[in-house]
This record gives sequence, structure tokens and C-alpha cells, in this order.
Amino acid sequence: GQQVMQIPQYQHVQEGEDFTTYCNSSTTLSNIQWYKQRPGGHPVFLIQLVKSGEVKKQKRLTFQFGEAKKNSSLHITATQTTDVGTYFCAGTGGSYIPTFGRGTSLIVHP
Amino acid sequence: KAGVTQTPRYLIKTRGQQVTLSCSPISGHRSVSWYQQTPGQGLQFLFEYFSETQRNKGNFPGRFSGRQFSNSRSEMNVSTLELGDSALYLCASSLDGGGPPRDTQYFGPGTRLTVL
Repeated sequence: GQQVMQIPQYQHVQEGEDFTTYCNSSTTLSNIQWYKQRPGGHPVFLIQLVKSGEVKKQKRLTFQFGEAKKNSSLHITATQTTDVGTYFCAGTGGSYIPTFGRGTSLIVHP
Repeated sequence: KAGVTQTPRYLIKTRGQQVTLSCSPISGHRSVSWYQQTPGQGLQFLFEYFSETQRNKGNFPGRFSGRQFSNSRSEMNVSTLELGDSALYLCASSLDGGGPPRDTQYFGPGTRLTVL
């Protein structure tokens, strides 16, 4: 079945440094969604990417969807302590059932 | 607009018992999906309901079941609980949920189930 690998599992950064998490799917995706989950919280939708090669920005966050629609990345510029949390990607293929990556936990040191 | 609500928030059960969890979606949302989140397996899709019908199902045993009512509220039931069922159970609602592309899913706060 469809698998979505997400790396790294953890990332420690100093406040102000950049952060990137990557997702790779074993199959071509119809779309990919990104979520953020704060410690003790629930996943909160960030964005959805649909088109091949799509790039979307939300303030300091940049999301990319690969040309082959099998990989995606989330890049945060100049991290802040409010960025702490676990970032998940969720890919949907032909079955319409989303497969979540294991998430990348971002730890920001002030 | 009120968000997704789940009850109860915390639950402690013993092996062999059964449990029913409830989810009230955002008003107007017709699709409700259920997920299990554990440290070991991450977020895993259980099933999705739309218009009182199960539309998609993940790879979980038959002990996990659910239903949706005419007002879109949903319940999930786990029978014959096992220790490994301890997890955070999340429900997410969306306007439609069909796709592609999928509609935005809004997650509830979850029910933390502990099986002793």
C-alpha cells in the first residue's frame, strides 16, 4: 500500500535558524496536505498542494510539491519559539484515504 | 462557528471492555473521519463517514466500528479492548471529504483512551 516517509524525525534549531521537513511517497499522490500539532494539541490544517511543482507561501512558511507529485517539503524561515510542534504531511492517492507521515518534531531553542 | 467537539476527552477502560466515543462535526460539515494516533504508529486512518454511510475504511480489525447519524454526528466503537488500543482518537470533519482534492479537514481535540 501507499507509504509516506517523512524526515527528519526530530530537528533542534536555534531561534532564527531555518527548518525544513521532507515527505516522500511510494506512489504518485493526488494531493498532499500539511498539518501542525502543538504538544498536547490536535493537528491543525496548514495547507493543501494539488498541482505538480506547486509552491505556496504563508508568511515564513514555504510549501512545495514535487514535479512527479511524489514528494513535498515544508520550509520555515527564521524560526520562532511559536513554531514549536510536530509537522505532518498527509498524502492522498487514488484511494482517497490519506496516509500521514510520521511527522517531524521541531524544537526551537531561544 | 464552533469547532469539532469530541466526548469524552479522557477515558480509562480495562481489557475486554468496550468503549464508544462521540464526535460532533462543524455545523454544515457532512464528512467525519476517525484517526488513531499512537507514538509507535503515528496517525492512522480508521474510517470515514458521509451521509450516514461508511465511505472509506482503513486497515483496522472489525473490533473498530463506527456510525454516523442524520445530523452528521458520529460515534466510533471499540469492542473487546486490548492494551494496544490505548491511543489518542481523533475525529476530523470536512464539508464533503470526497476528492481529489480532499476538502480541508478540521480535527477535534481527541479522546485519550487508556486501556489497563
